[in-house]
Amino acid sequence: QVQLVQSGAEVKKPGASVKVSCKASGYTFIDYYMHWVRQAPGQGFEWMGWINPNSGDTNYAQKFQGWVTMTRDTSISTAYMELSRLRSDDTAVYYCATELAAGGSELGAFDYWGQGSLVIVSS
Amino acid sequence: EIVLTQSPATLSLSPGERATLSCRASQSVSRYLAWYQQKPGQAPRLLIYDASNRATGIPARFSGSGSGTDFTLTISSLEPEDFAIYYCQQRSNWPPTFTFGPGTKVDIK
Repeated sequence: QVQLVQSGAEVKKPGASVKVSCKASGYTFIDYYMHWVRQAPGQGFEWMGWINPNSGDTNYAQKFQGWVTMTRDTSISTAYMELSRLRSDDTAVYYCATELAAGGSELGAFDYWGQGSLVIVSS
Repeated sequence: EIVLTQSPATLSLSPGERATLSCRASQSVSRYLAWYQQKPGQAPRLLIYDASNRATGIPARFSGSGSGTDFTLTISSLEPEDFAIYYCQQRSNWPPTFTFGPGTKVDIK
């Protein structure tokens, strides 16, 4: 079965960087776009961007451009999201999620999600 | 950027009742409108994609409808496990971005 297993919780100081990993299993890693979405405590969801695990191409939400970096290591079926210059309002649960696809086309919905990685930014 | 609004913010119902949740977009949305269920401490679960297609393993009591700017998620008869927060989400074709609504909480009356 498809599983996305994320790295554990992190506590960071303002101005630091954090790198969250997402290890995929149960499917062919390069076949599905990997997205990153975050959810601040008690809040809704904010889409951060995606990476095409096959090509390494990325598309970041405008808000996060210059600030987030998404990478992947196909040899270990793992995607990464690094967020720099952290601020207190970056405190959130960060999720990786695959995009549903059929017939070679992405369908704009997230069908499998990791368990989430809590990042706390505090001095 | 397309903004999604959901109503009501909270829906208080009893098991067995019908739930009707609304999602409205600030401009016309392509086919890519999805609905998710989230329970406390859990990741979201995809319920509906392409506005009306049930995701794999989703019970038939969940249905989606709508087009353009107005979309609806209906739960025909609430089961105890359906009390949760529901989010709609859309994908814009250009630029390719994804946005979520603020959610509707369905709680037990």
